[in-house]
Amino acid sequence: AQSVSQHNHHVILSEAASLELGCNYSYGGTVNLFWYVQYPGQHLQLLLKYFSGDPLVKGIKGFEAEFIKSKFSFNLRKPSVQWSDTAEYFCAVNSRSGSARQLTFGSGTQLTVLP
Amino acid sequence: NAGVTQTPKFQVLKTGQSMTLQCAQDMNHEYMSWYRQDPGMGLRLIHYSVGAGITDQGEVPNGYNVSRSTTEDFPLRLLSAAPSQTSVYFCASSYKGFTLNEKLFFGSGTQLSVL
Repeated sequence: AQSVSQHNHHVILSEAASLELGCNYSYGGTVNLFWYVQYPGQHLQLLLKYFSGDPLVKGIKGFEAEFIKSKFSFNLRKPSVQWSDTAEYFCAVNSRSGSARQLTFGSGTQLTVLP
Repeated sequence: NAGVTQTPKFQVLKTGQSMTLQCAQDMNHEYMSWYRQDPGMGLRLIHYSVGAGITDQGEVPNGYNVSRSTTEDFPLRLLSAAPSQTSVYFCASSYKGFTLNEKLFFGSGTQLSVL
């Protein structure tokens, strides 16, 4: 079964600091990769996604993520965070075969940005 | 443009009671799913459906039933509520029925407490 690990449970940064949130998955086949964000009091929304092609994908609000197949990783980055980036971030993986109809989420990383 | 609508937003049950969480989408999405979100565990898939009349189990299906009689609706039934089912429940939908290379649209969630 596929699994997703987010090792950072809570990250605290000051505004303008750079951000990198780790995401590793266990499935060895071809996968679709996602980052979702949940702002306080809101429902989850998609930040970015990777299906194929350029392993560096850009999403909304200045976020980007790099797919490194050899490391089974899909880390989320942002060069300079803002207070409004305070939220919980979830990495998710969907395999393209087997359990292709299921999206597996990581446990989430709570990001707190101090003004 | 309603998107994914969940009702109720909050619910308190006593152990042993049954109830149904409602989910409706107006985007003609084939794929609908239910997740529960628990602290430190991220989102875990309960049940999903790839079209009317078709449902399947996710990661944590025990204690829950679903049905999909129409494309629009995907109710989640708790048969006999237990304190372990205290959680926030999210319904999510996607256009594609058999692949998940499109993003999920999430509802605003139902916070359920079982006493």
